[in-house]
Amino acid sequence: QQQVKQSPQSLIVQKGGISIINCAYENTAFDYFPWYQQFPGKGPALLIAIRPDVSEKKEGRFTISFNKSAKQFSLHIMDSQPGDSATYFCAASGRPGGYQKVTFGTGTKLQVIP
Amino acid sequence: DAGVIQSPRHEVTEMGQEVTLRCKPISGHNSLFWYRQTMMRGLELLIYFNNNVPIDDSGMPEDRFSAKMPNASFSTLKIQPSEPRDSAVYFCASSLGGLISGANVLTFGAGSRLTVL
Repeated sequence: QQQVKQSPQSLIVQKGGISIINCAYENTAFDYFPWYQQFPGKGPALLIAIRPDVSEKKEGRFTISFNKSAKQFSLHIMDSQPGDSATYFCAASGRPGGYQKVTFGTGTKLQVIP
Repeated sequence: DAGVIQSPRHEVTEMGQEVTLRCKPISGHNSLFWYRQTMMRGLELLIYFNNNVPIDDSGMPEDRFSAKMPNASFSTLKIQPSEPRDSAVYFCASSLGGLISGANVLTFGAGSRLTVL
């Protein structure tokens, strides 16, 4: 059962453009929504995260938008740079199993072209 | 801290052989996770330990897979016998928390790329 659905699978954006990745979740018990960034040959690393009590969180060029009623959240990368080229995973964390289990989306491979 | 350390980084083996992957979590972290990453299935949680105790092993594919955490600074994931479909990148991650409320921020190792011929 895939509890976090992520789209698109891949994305090509021009340098300076906006990259948008979308995720949807099913379980309302989730209470923490992080995004992880993974470069080739490396493990995923936390990029930015949001709680469901806020609708938006911004850190530099990265913004999470959160729609609790629709059970959707998205990552926006403003002024995308070639160095942002990586795979991005949305995730959801909560206590449906009695512990803070982290469930990942399937990932979006972003390529920013000069 | 050197972060989460995994070994080996790459492993090539033949079908039927035993494979052991190793992980040293970040000192002080009380939760440890093993994930498997493939193109088809993304990041799958295999097993979760809290304070060295296995809490959730529902993601372990079958009896060929086993994991241990004999102490707070070491964990192993063993596949015996290995099969070509086990080829993947295996990640270990650690965190503070897990069984307590609050954000569960995972710190991943660099992964072990396994190829079973």
